[in-house]
Amino acid sequence: EAGVVQSPRYKIIEKKQPVAFWCNPISGHNTLYWYRQNLGQGPELLIRYENEEAVDDSQLPKDRFSAERLKGVDSTLKIQPAELGDSAVYLCASSPDPGGYSEQFFGPGTRLTVL
Amino acid sequence: AQSVSQHNHHVILSEAASLELGCNYSYGGTVNLFWYVQYPGQHLQLLLKYFSGDPLVKGIKGFEAEFIKSKFSFNLRKPSVQWSDTAEYFCAVTPANQAGTALIFGKGTTLSVSS
Repeated sequence: EAGVVQSPRYKIIEKKQPVAFWCNPISGHNTLYWYRQNLGQGPELLIRYENEEAVDDSQLPKDRFSAERLKGVDSTLKIQPAELGDSAVYLCASSPDPGGYSEQFFGPGTRLTVL
Repeated sequence: AQSVSQHNHHVILSEAASLELGCNYSYGGTVNLFWYVQYPGQHLQLLLKYFSGDPLVKGIKGFEAEFIKSKFSFNLRKPSVQWSDTAEYFCAVTPANQAGTALIFGKGTTLSVSS
C-alpha cells in the first residue's frame, strides 16, 4: 500500500514569495490533515478535511494561508506571502475514517525555509 | 485546552538499558492516546495506541505503554533498547468522543542509543 505522498520535500524561498505544498493521501482515506511542525516542537494542526469539506480550520492563519481539497482526494496548502516565521516542516496525514479510532498516517513532510 | 507534556527532552542510553519516557496530558474527559516515532530521515509512524480496555498496551518493536488514568499519564517503556531505537518519540492525545479531532502532540523526546 502506497503511503501519503508529499511534494516537494524541501523548499527554500525568500520572504514575501508564495509557496505551495501538495499532498496525496492514502487511497480511500477520507480524512486529511495538514500539520505544521516547528523546530523542537510537536506537529500542530493547521486544517482538517472530511472529503472535500474543511471541517476544522480554526488554527489556519487565513490572512496568508489557504488550502483546498478539490474532489476530496489530493490537497494543496498555500502560503502567500511567506514570512520568516513560516519556516517549518509541513506535514500531511490521512485517516480512513473520522471516528477518531483510526491511526493517522503521515507523509514525509515538506521542509520550508524562508530567507 | 488540551495539552501534552513530555518530561524528557533528550535521553541518552546504552544498548540493553531499559527505557521509560514520560507523558502526561491535560484533558478532563475520555481520551485516545498514541505514541508516534520518527526515525532519522523517516516520517512519523505509529508505535502504539490506547482507546479502551487493558491499560497496558503493546506496540511494535517491543515497546509498551501504560495508561494510568488517575495520573493522566501514558508512559512509554521498553525493557532493553537497541541502537536502532535512536529516534524522536512523540506522545499524542485526542478526545475520545469527538470524531476525527486532530492529534495534540507533545514536544517530543529525542532518544540516542549508543552501541
